[in-house]
Amino acid sequence: AQKVTQAQTEISVVEKEDVTLDCVYETRDTTYYLFWYKQPPSGELVFLIRRNSFDEQNEISGRYSWNFQKSTSSFNFTITASQVVDSAVYFCALTSNTGKLIFGQGTTLQVKP
Amino acid sequence: SQTIHQWPATLVQPVGSPLSLECTVEGTSNPNLYWYRQAAGRGLQLLFYSVGIGQISSEVPQNLSASRPQDRQFILSSKKLLLSDSGFYLCAWSEGLAGLTSTDTQYFGPGTRLTVL
Repeated sequence: AQKVTQAQTEISVVEKEDVTLDCVYETRDTTYYLFWYKQPPSGELVFLIRRNSFDEQNEISGRYSWNFQKSTSSFNFTITASQVVDSAVYFCALTSNTGKLIFGQGTTLQVKP
Repeated sequence: SQTIHQWPATLVQPVGSPLSLECTVEGTSNPNLYWYRQAAGRGLQLLFYSVGIGQISSEVPQNLSASRPQDRQFILSSKKLLLSDSGFYLCAWSEGLAGLTSTDTQYFGPGTRLTVL
């Protein structure tokens, strides 16, 4: 069975702090894709990143970075020097071999000024 | 570039009334289309998906239905709303070159917030 676990329900940080959002997944497929989405207060899900199971290179995009480790089935997301605009719900997701997205329950990040 | 639209943005309906939510995609052809519901508490539940005109797959038995009358139009309907139908409804699309595949990235619309009273 496919499953995505985001154990952190809510995280609160002060602006400029670094914060890491955890994501652990379960799948028996050898080929799969992992995703992160951001849901700001407006509600729309914004696509952030997609990684395939054969590429464990870490990725950095501005203040965002992702750490994919197959050995621990984790795909963690770090925001460096957080800003108030980063406040949102963040979802980790996994595609199964059926092509359907399986979402974690989300982590609410609050960045205080 | 591709864009996805949903309307209405918000809707308040009485129990037992009908429902019609619309989703349209621009800038792509033959997309895969999806309807999700997000109830209070954040979880995203896949309701329906479609790989082509008239092709609808249902994920969860309920009093909702979906239709795809045109290539880039996806409609979510109900004949009689229940209180439990309240939630945030999100439409999404992905490239549909080979049906549903694990490589698909889904892009979401702005959502419709439905309150059933």
